[in-house]
Amino acid sequence: QKEVEQNSGPLSVPEGAIASLNCTYSDRGSQSFFWYRQYSGKSPELIMFIYSNGDKEDGRFTAQLNKASQYVSLLIRDSQPSDSATYLCAVPPLGNQFYFGTGTSLTVIP
Amino acid sequence: GAVVSQHPSRVICKSGTSVKIECRSLDFQATTMFWYRQFPKQSLMLMATSNEGSKATYEQGVEKDKFLINHASLTLSTLTVTSAHPEDSSFYICSARVLAGGPVTDTQYFGPGTRLTVL
Repeated sequence: QKEVEQNSGPLSVPEGAIASLNCTYSDRGSQSFFWYRQYSGKSPELIMFIYSNGDKEDGRFTAQLNKASQYVSLLIRDSQPSDSATYLCAVPPLGNQFYFGTGTSLTVIP
Repeated sequence: GAVVSQHPSRVICKSGTSVKIECRSLDFQATTMFWYRQFPKQSLMLMATSNEGSKATYEQGVEKDKFLINHASLTLSTLTVTSAHPEDSSFYICSARVLAGGPVTDTQYFGPGTRLTVL
């Protein structure tokens, strides 16, 4: 079982809709979780992190964490074409290495 | 957020030459830096973990004699691709680990990447 799993997509949503991206992880000891966005041809950029159960909102983005079920999700409200990118979920374990999901490709259709 | 720079952003070289890529943390000290490689439409692949003042730890299947990593200071790590061949053409990305107040804010920031093309 991989440390972090994401649905690779592609996920397509119409402009203005809510995009929902999901990630599951295997290490119950994980404390914090990160979402990165990667545009085609560019490096990943950090957009959110969460470490408490529940929701964390930042503008149009909401991260949701459920430690009991071992999943973390990212909701993008009022999706824009500029949100079209690959979204990576990352989990830093107790050791030194970060684990990344393979990423979910999102396309927002105008 | 923390800023990581990478240089050069793009390099084209002939087969058999060596290429050095620099990764710098601009406004913080990074005890740990990571080097990734990404082929088109594929996910990030961790190549090695670089700790300041010690030898890098390479992932399985990555040739340490071909991909030389040096982390000589808390703000600079370099990756040298020795005797590059066309199959080494890829997008190389570094990242730096930031420990900001404790494990729950432990994260990493990425450099902008270096696109290597070997002719």
